[in-house]
Amino acid sequence: NAGVMQNPRHLVRRRGQEARLRCSPMKGHSHVYWYRQLPEEGLKFMVYLQKENIIDESGMPKERFSAEFPKEGPSILRIQQVVRGDSAAYFCASSPRLAGGTDTQYFGPGTRLTVL
Amino acid sequence: GDSVTQMEGPVTLSEEAFLTINCTYTATGYPSLFWYVQYPGEGLQLLLKATKADDKGSNKGFEATYRKETTSFHLEKGSVQVSDSAVYFCALSPSGFQKLVFGTGTRLLVSP
Repeated sequence: NAGVMQNPRHLVRRRGQEARLRCSPMKGHSHVYWYRQLPEEGLKFMVYLQKENIIDESGMPKERFSAEFPKEGPSILRIQQVVRGDSAAYFCASSPRLAGGTDTQYFGPGTRLTVL
Repeated sequence: GDSVTQMEGPVTLSEEAFLTINCTYTATGYPSLFWYVQYPGEGLQLLLKATKADDKGSNKGFEATYRKETTSFHLEKGSVQVSDSAVYFCALSPSGFQKLVFGTGTRLLVSP
């Protein structure tokens, strides 16, 4: 059973360009989470999605950032007009649908975004 | 708001030494608690978890006990190996929410 897949693993953008990060959850998982890890810091929650729905986006910056998880295909985290402060590792996690309690989240290898 | 505090690293040990990494948390209700490990250049792997007070999570010789009275979830291992060198993250999932709140991580370096 393949794990959570993220691509690209490394992404370089110039200031003002768009960055598009992809995440394919584990087979059978319908919940996706995005986290950002700044250098020498812990992970910060950004957004939680289910298929075609954003459930919790309390950690998303109000501007330039958006996320989607369509019915078909991977989840996409989009950053428009990138700035140097967006340079970070972006991790995706997925979990299965459970009737109650807290799902265990399984993490992908991350996408390391560098903004020049 | 909810938060997790970990001891600062790096923690440097010799092989076969005893390991403790302290973790305390602040949260309302009854969060679930986790330890994740991150090896260089990789994503996070779940190491162990506990979902209610007095539960003990254990895996690969690591263990941690959910202590509600002290709001702690300290990670321990009786005898570390060089291969345990990594960054360890303590995290909580607030009651009723699916997101994880992470500590800043503790780097462990084990020398032969």
